[in-house]
Order: sequence, then C-alpha cells, then structure tokens
Amino acid sequence: QQQVKQSPQSLIVQKGGISIINCAYENTAFDYFPWYQQFPGKGPALLIAIRPDVSEKKEGRFTISFNKSAKQFSLHIMDSQPGDSATYFCAASCMDSNYQLIWGAGTKLIIKP
Amino acid sequence: EAQVTQNPRYLITVTGKKLTVTCSQNMNHEYMSWYRQDPGLGLRQIYYSMNVEVTDKGDVPEGYKVSRKEKRNFPLILESPSPNQTSLYFCASSLGTGTDTQYFGPGTRLTVL
Repeated sequence: QQQVKQSPQSLIVQKGGISIINCAYENTAFDYFPWYQQFPGKGPALLIAIRPDVSEKKEGRFTISFNKSAKQFSLHIMDSQPGDSATYFCAASCMDSNYQLIWGAGTKLIIKP
Repeated sequence: EAQVTQNPRYLITVTGKKLTVTCSQNMNHEYMSWYRQDPGLGLRQIYYSMNVEVTDKGDVPEGYKVSRKEKRNFPLILESPSPNQTSLYFCASSLGTGTDTQYFGPGTRLTVL
C-alpha cells in the first residue's frame, strides 16, 4: 500500500514534443506529491510538487496533473528540449508516515534533437 | 553557497573493509537522510535523522550505521561491506519533514569487490 508505481521506465521524445510520465499510488492518505529531476552525475532536485486540493499545477513548461479518484498523477513536459533529458522521479508522502517520501522507480527521459 | 557535500565521490573497496561516507550540509537543516539508488529500484531510504542524536531506520537499513553528533554532519558507516552494497549513495537534507524540499548531495558511487 506504500508503493508508488511509475511508468514508463524509459521514454524517448522528439524535440518540441510532449513528454508524459505517470505515477500511481494506493495509499489514500498521501497528500504531497513532488517530482524530482536528476541529471547524470548529480543528485535529484525538486522540480515541481502538488497537493491533492488542486487538479493541476503548472510551472513554465512543466505541469503536474492530479486525479484523486484514480489515485494517479502525471508530469507533462511541453515543448520538450534536449536539456530536459534526465531521470525523473515521482514521490508521495503523508503525515501518517511523518512525511517520509515514497519514491517511484524513475523514468529516464531522452529528448532527441 | 548552500549545499550538501559528500566524500568520497567514488570508492572501490573489498568485502569486509570498514568504510565511512561523509555528508555535510551548510543550510542549518534539521532533517538529513541517506538513500541508495539502484537501476530499476529508484531511491530507497537507508536511514534518516530528524535532529542531533535522533536517527531512525528507513526501508533498507541492514548493513549500515549512521550517527548524528552534530547538526551539519551525517556520516554513513558500512562496518563490513558486501558486494550487494555496491550502489550509488545520496545524502539529502531539508529544513524539516513535511513538504520541505530535500536537497541532495552529488552522490557517492561505491563498488565492493
């Protein structure tokens, strides 16, 4: 029940296209859903996060869509650029577990020029 | 510059030879944690610390020790490393738990022969 399932494992998108990464969870107590971005040789860094009181959050080309009833959330990268090539991790947490992050397995995104 | 530093960045060792990976943060963060990252498994938490002298097990604590004697430092100790501990290790810190952003170090790539 604590798992966060992330798909796909890897994704190749043409420059200018839309990249979509999906995550699903079981624990309905989760109330914080961040996405982290990791470039090769670096540690992950927070990209964008959402709480379940909104269905969408947008920051520049990055959008989180949240579907509470389906227990799913996704990251959309509009007008994908080669500089977006990285590994993306979704995560979830809740007060019940002291907000320890439960991580997805990661998606390696490659943007082809 | 606000940062989390880890040393060493790369380490090759042999089975059974005790080692310590250091982690230090200069942001006066209360919360620190250690993760290991393995292909297809994402980030798994090893240990975390919510304050000085307060540590707790994460999801995969077997074979690891930690200590938090000072707020800024959180070393990871492998008393008797084994090949299954070959991995990429990340230290992270945040102001608190909850929805506070976690800041990651650059990673330590450990190989145990």
